[in-house]
Amino acid sequence: GENVEQHPSTLSVQEGDSAVIKCTYSDSASNYFPWYKQELGKGPQLIIDIRSNVGEKKDQRIAVTLNKTAKHFSLHITETQPEDSAVYFCAARVGGNEKLTFGTGTRLTIIP
Amino acid sequence: DAMVIQNPRYQVTQFGKPVTLSCSQTLNHNVMYWYQQKSSQAPKLLFHYYDKDFNNEADTPDNFQSRRPNTSFCFLDIRSPGLGDAAMYLCATSREGLGVPYEQYFGPGTRLTVT
Repeated sequence: GENVEQHPSTLSVQEGDSAVIKCTYSDSASNYFPWYKQELGKGPQLIIDIRSNVGEKKDQRIAVTLNKTAKHFSLHITETQPEDSAVYFCAARVGGNEKLTFGTGTRLTIIP
Repeated sequence: DAMVIQNPRYQVTQFGKPVTLSCSQTLNHNVMYWYQQKSSQAPKLLFHYYDKDFNNEADTPDNFQSRRPNTSFCFLDIRSPGLGDAAMYLCATSREGLGVPYEQYFGPGTRLTVT
């Protein structure tokens, strides 16, 4: 089955700097890659996603890149703000399967 | 407006006392999922309904059951909660069947405490 690895597990960034979280997946049949933000005591919130026919997607300060050859995808947050502090999960989904496989999460802390 | 609603948000139950968690959705999505999430871990899929078809994960204990009486509602029943079942339970929904992957949306979760 699909396996998703996520790095780093913790990340501290000065406010205003950029943060990058990386994930790799194992199944080349994966075609959908969402990113979730989870604040303490809340459910995961979908913040951006990318499908395998696209190499990059951007939404304001957040961007995701996908390298299908290397089987990895990354989340980029620019101009970080204190409210970006949360746990971020990447996930991957194999085509034809409605289940997501999650990475292990990254705890992002923005230092004011 | 909330799209995936979970009730209650916090539930305390006694060891061995059956408990039911509920989830409802206003998205008219045909797939509903139940996840268990323990502290500092990723959500772990317990089972999901694709329309009326129930799909159990191989490692989900028999202690966990689910019902989906209609498109909008789904219930998680824990027949005999143990201390190890204390966790956040997350409900999620997605729209499937059109040949392309669609987003999966999560509810706010129910925090279950077992005393």
